[in-house]
Amino acid sequence: AQRVTQPEKLLSVFKGAPVELKCNYSYSGSPELFWYVQYSRQRLQLLLRHISRESIKGFTADLNKGETSFHLKKPFAQEEDSAMYYCALSIQGAQKLVFGQGTRLTINP
Amino acid sequence: GAGVSQTPSNKVTEKGKYVELRCDPISGHTALYWYRQSLGQGPEFLIYFQGTGAADDSGLPNDRFFAVRPEGSVSTLKIQRTERGDSAVYLCASSTGTKDTQYFGPGTRLTVL
Repeated sequence: AQRVTQPEKLLSVFKGAPVELKCNYSYSGSPELFWYVQYSRQRLQLLLRHISRESIKGFTADLNKGETSFHLKKPFAQEEDSAMYYCALSIQGAQKLVFGQGTRLTINP
Repeated sequence: GAGVSQTPSNKVTEKGKYVELRCDPISGHTALYWYRQSLGQGPEFLIYFQGTGAADDSGLPNDRFFAVRPEGSVSTLKIQRTERGDSAVYLCASSTGTKDTQYFGPGTRLTVL
């Protein structure tokens, strides 16, 4: 079965420091990977998807099929990045998203 | 424009009761999804509609759960004989079509006492 693993439930970094949120997946085919973010008291929203290969709010993520990973990175964290981050995958022929458990990112001033 | 809306925002019920949760998707979105998010977990897929029909209901945990979308717009998730384990946030999402970005609603927090 498809599975998404986010090994860190909590991650805390200082403002201006680099941040990396880890995501690993298990799926034998060609998945589509996403990062969703939920800011305090807001709804879940798409941050980025691997097929678009764009940088959103300074975040990037590269799909590494060899390591089955899709880590989210930002070189210089900002306080407004504090949020809950979910990695998700969509498999071929299915519309549903399979989510990881999420990582709560806290940026300290 | 208006995003996905869900009502009620909170629902408290007693074990054994029946509940209905409503989702209003973004106008024109043909695809609609229900997910359930338990405390400390990521959202878990329940069911997906394309138009009026349930294209994938593989995530429904048992036959106490049922969802409809009779006119291809609003959807209702129905839970019979609620159990304490059904307590969770129920999320609805919609998209313009298959494989398009899913836009989430604010969720309904269901508490079964």
